[in-house]
Amino acid sequence: EIVMTQSPATLSASPGERATLSCRTSQSVSNNLAWYQQKPGQAPRLLIYGASTRATGIPARFSGSGSGAEFTLTISSLQSEDFAVYYCQQYNNWPPGTFGQGTRLEIK
Amino acid sequence: QVQLVQSGAEVKKPGASVKVSCKASGYTFPLYYMHWVRQAPGQGLEWIGIINPSGDSTDYLEKFRGRVTITRDTSTSTVYMELYSLTSEDTAVYYCARARSHYSDFDFWGQGTLVTVSS
Repeated sequence: EIVMTQSPATLSASPGERATLSCRTSQSVSNNLAWYQQKPGQAPRLLIYGASTRATGIPARFSGSGSGAEFTLTISSLQSEDFAVYYCQQYNNWPPGTFGQGTRLEIK
Repeated sequence: QVQLVQSGAEVKKPGASVKVSCKASGYTFPLYYMHWVRQAPGQGLEWIGIINPSGDSTDYLEKFRGRVTITRDTSTSTVYMELYSLTSEDTAVYYCARARSHYSDFDFWGQGTLVTVSS
């Protein structure tokens, strides 16, 4: 099974700053990777699919890049509502719901 | 708008079973797959399994095979996940999540159902 590694585990940043989150896979997943945001007490929300396509209603400050085994989620200018946990998921290989362990984005 | 509304919280004793429901609305139910994912307290997301649109094919993570059944009822647009032989390790929030295909992102999620296993 594919192993997903997200880094850093915790990222401290201030509103207005740029945040860069990383997701690496143990083997190539092509561009079959998604990013989710989860706030406390809420279900995950799809942000990015196909490595770089924003889901419906997702602000343009969220962008995804990468292919193969290295991916990045960038938030260009952090807003207060962006502080949350972010998960990457690969859906190229079985099992289709393989998630990273998450990156917690916290206010500095 | 797409909605996935799950059944309420459950408290079960070790060895018991639990059946969680996920009622869909706002889209054409028979066109989409449905996954189940769980999240133990303070932990990450763990995939459990998937059911296809017609309900005649399922796929489960190996650790759950023989202990979980996912079914769907097209007449009520509801998907069910039943987990048997519960232990304290099964204490978690269980989510249903919609998908376009067997291998795709999960574009809408239910609100989650807390299952607590305690003697």
